[in-house]
Amino acid sequence: QVQLVESGGGVVQPGRSLRLSCEASGFPFSNSAMHWVRQTPGKGLEWVAVMAYDGSKKQYADSLKGRFTIYRDNSKNTLYLQMNSLRTEDTAVFYCAKDLGISMIAYAFHIWGQGTMVTVSA
Amino acid sequence: QSVLTQPPSVSAAPGQRVTISCTGSSSNIGSIYDVHWYQQLPGTAPKLLIYGNNNRPSGVPGRFSGSKSGTSASLAITGLQPEDEAEYYCQSYDGSLSGSVFGGGTKLTVL
Repeated sequence: QVQLVESGGGVVQPGRSLRLSCEASGFPFSNSAMHWVRQTPGKGLEWVAVMAYDGSKKQYADSLKGRFTIYRDNSKNTLYLQMNSLRTEDTAVFYCAKDLGISMIAYAFHIWGQGTMVTVSA
Repeated sequence: QSVLTQPPSVSAAPGQRVTISCTGSSSNIGSIYDVHWYQQLPGTAPKLLIYGNNNRPSGVPGRFSGSKSGTSASLAITGLQPEDEAEYYCQSYDGSLSGSVFGGGTKLTVL
């Protein structure tokens, strides 16, 4: 079945880096744009970034100011999020999500993973 | 503070109808961009409920419907059931921000 499994979360000190992974199965990953979305504890959802199916386009939320990088390896059906210079306010559950579109970005989040928790704390 | 504005909470009795509003601006909902709705049950990931303003993915009951007019959108749920108790989020694209934006979420309580 269609599945997204995130990993790589954990506890990290402010200023450090962390890389999240999202392994996809059950659908043609190389035809799908993929997103990262985060949810701070007890609060709402915030879109983080998107990458086109072939890596040709990337977009990021303005609030990230260049600290995060989204990339993918279609040969491994895996999406990544490299997070640098982490801040306490980055503490959140990070979800990867499959875009609704096929070979284009619809900016709708069709399938979600279970999420991975990132805690930034001294 | 979210770009899209939703009421923090709504409530209704089983069997009744409830609507959740989502207000944006001319750079998102009021432009060419679609509105999508998500349901998040406690302790779980969000689930796509409505896409493209008024379309239901396979498996979503017909009790759920969406609409869009001007700079606002609405989610309607008829024949409320206890299992509908959840957090609901609207989402669109913002041309000025060049990215997706969410509402702050609405907690639905089935009395």
